[in-house]
Amino acid sequence: KNEVEQSPQNLTAQEEEFITINCSYSVGISALHWLQQHPGGGIVSLFMLSSGKKKHGRLIATINIQEKHSSLHITASHPRDSAVYICAVFNTDKLIFGTGTRLQVFP
Amino acid sequence: DTAVSQTPKYLVTQMGNDKSIKCEQNLGHDTMYWYKQDSKKFLKIMFSYNNKELIINETVPNRFSPKSPDKAHLNLHINSLELGDSAVYFCASSQYKQGWGSYNEQFFGPGTRLTVL
Repeated sequence: KNEVEQSPQNLTAQEEEFITINCSYSVGISALHWLQQHPGGGIVSLFMLSSGKKKHGRLIATINIQEKHSSLHITASHPRDSAVYICAVFNTDKLIFGTGTRLQVFP
Repeated sequence: DTAVSQTPKYLVTQMGNDKSIKCEQNLGHDTMYWYKQDSKKFLKIMFSYNNKELIINETVPNRFSPKSPDKAHLNLHINSLELGDSAVYFCASSQYKQGWGSYNEQFFGPGTRLTVL
């Protein structure tokens, strides 16, 4: 079993839908990182958080340290949000990655 | 003004060959990483260097040898390439903070797709 689990693995949505991607982890962490990987392959950092909630545009990330759980929300989704979203936790000097959630948003 | 760059972007080679992938960052960071992304898109750390010193080596075969000539560069040399080495390799960098509870955001390069035939 992977130390970082994401759900769902695949997600399809209609434009404007509210989307939630979940991340659960089983190790102690000092921070959690949400990343986006575009179809072209590049990896972009979305959020880094160790407590509470962060918002950037239509993206919101939350973390509950006690429950070892984080969520990434996308409001008013758009086809350009189609990508793989990866949760990674920072544990003893290294990132441990989740398996990713492939999101496709259709017009 | 690319932050983390890798060369080449694509690399196709025969089994048994030796190849290198180069990585450079102009962010002034002191820590660099190599990650491997397999065919299922799963990312895993291979190496981490801080100020040219190896700090993480995640049970990677000896055929893989990272080299850091200075803080801004971390190259990956692979000897005797095997079919299973086919993957996308990502370089990343960050500014290291020591101790538990310290983490700085990592910035990723564009990746190098290695195909071993």
